[in-house]
Amino acid sequence: QAVLTQPASLSASPGASASLTCTLRSGINVVTYKIVWFQQKPGSPPRFLLNYKSDSDKLQASGVPSRFSGSKDASANAGILLVSGLQSEDEADYYCMIWHSNSWVFGGGTKLTVL
Amino acid sequence: QVQLVQSGAEVKNPGASVKVSCKASGYTFTNYDINWVRQATGQGLEWIGWMSPKTGSTGSAQKFQGRVTLTRDTSINTAYMELSSLISDDTAVYYCARNLYGTGDFDFWGQGTLVTVSS
Repeated sequence: QAVLTQPASLSASPGASASLTCTLRSGINVVTYKIVWFQQKPGSPPRFLLNYKSDSDKLQASGVPSRFSGSKDASANAGILLVSGLQSEDEADYYCMIWHSNSWVFGGGTKLTVL
Repeated sequence: QVQLVQSGAEVKNPGASVKVSCKASGYTFTNYDINWVRQATGQGLEWIGWMSPKTGSTGSAQKFQGRVTLTRDTSINTAYMELSSLISDDTAVYYCARNLYGTGDFDFWGQGTLVTVSS
């Protein structure tokens, strides 16, 4: 089982909100991890969006709109990237990442379609 | 402005080695770690390893241990990633990215270097 699992795809309408999940493998407690989120558009390197451990331990990358926010669902053992007020420019691949067992580990990514 | 500029595309035979460079500018090179990440066409991101330009310390994913060498030349603000014993599955775009030690905030990335392994 992968360390981080993300749904392969998600679709949402312009103006709506999209909740992208990053589920940690059983036995790895999301509460103790800082989750990092990246956005990647075709032909470009990833872009650092934010990190989130708790409401008192988080960082928004410079220039990233406040429409992007992080949270956790402890009951689902998952990190969440919430994108509100969806715009066509938000259509991209989104990756989560954690530091686990002396390595940075990426989730498989979610392709967000805005239609 | 902060920039990470990588070397150009490479084509290698199976079994060969490749060395990719990442030249930093616009910040103090030794104040940030350099990570290497790769991405096969149509696939996700895969972390390879990190290096401290200040100390030369390195770490890598278990998958690449023994096959990857991370080095730097602080006189020209350049980091290097060398991957040996190449196989076709190593065909990918390789990125460098900087972060503050201990954080996953990979805030600036290189443009990527396509490495193609083919006979």
